[in-house]
Amino acid sequence: GAGVSQSPSNKVTEKGKDVELRCDPISGHTALYWYRQRLGQGLEFLIYFQGNSAPDKSGLPSDRFSAERTGESVSTLTIQRTQQEDSAVYLCASSLGLGATGELFFGEGSRLTVL
Amino acid sequence: AQSVAQPEDQVNVAEGNPLTVKCTYSVSGNPYLFWYVQYPNRGLQFLLKYITGDNLVKGSYGFEAEFNKSQTSFHLKKPSALVSDSALYFCAVRGGTPLVFGKGTRLSVIA
Repeated sequence: GAGVSQSPSNKVTEKGKDVELRCDPISGHTALYWYRQRLGQGLEFLIYFQGNSAPDKSGLPSDRFSAERTGESVSTLTIQRTQQEDSAVYLCASSLGLGATGELFFGEGSRLTVL
Repeated sequence: AQSVAQPEDQVNVAEGNPLTVKCTYSVSGNPYLFWYVQYPNRGLQFLLKYITGDNLVKGSYGFEAEFNKSQTSFHLKKPSALVSDSALYFCAVRGGTPLVFGKGTRLSVIA
């Protein structure tokens, strides 16, 4: 597609359930990022994939969070045993991976509400 | 560790007046600086970036930003604000791998 696509756009779940969020990056973009945006807050880095390199997981807040990416395509972010503090908009971004100078292209986000 | 500060949560400006949204940064090594805008219920959109060269960078929608190394600042500016500029603006810096964002500044342009 023309842009970064994320699904679902909205997800309401009960505390303790697992959720899976999907990101389809721009074709040809080797770098993929997940960020979290809590209400009224800035963007919090979660994880970064670059090609076939080991992902940078330094931003994942707990072991309940994990992410996978197959090659240079779709990525899924999984949150196990969701908690109310996980409620946020989860943003995915991709870039050409041309080092530090390339801009990120963001999807519209997946809004997660944990009841 | 790299960090970004946006000291103002909210900036109000009258339509037609110049606007400034402030950003200061901290990073070891050369900073790569970005501005993004987020319209309601939309994803972030890239506005402009500073990598090297001229300190004044021009971007989308008539916005520009001035890199000031001595003050470690990268303020966003526009000579004449439009109501349609009302949005949430994020400054970001990259020294290492992830792009680190500020908390955002909400700009309201009043007709």
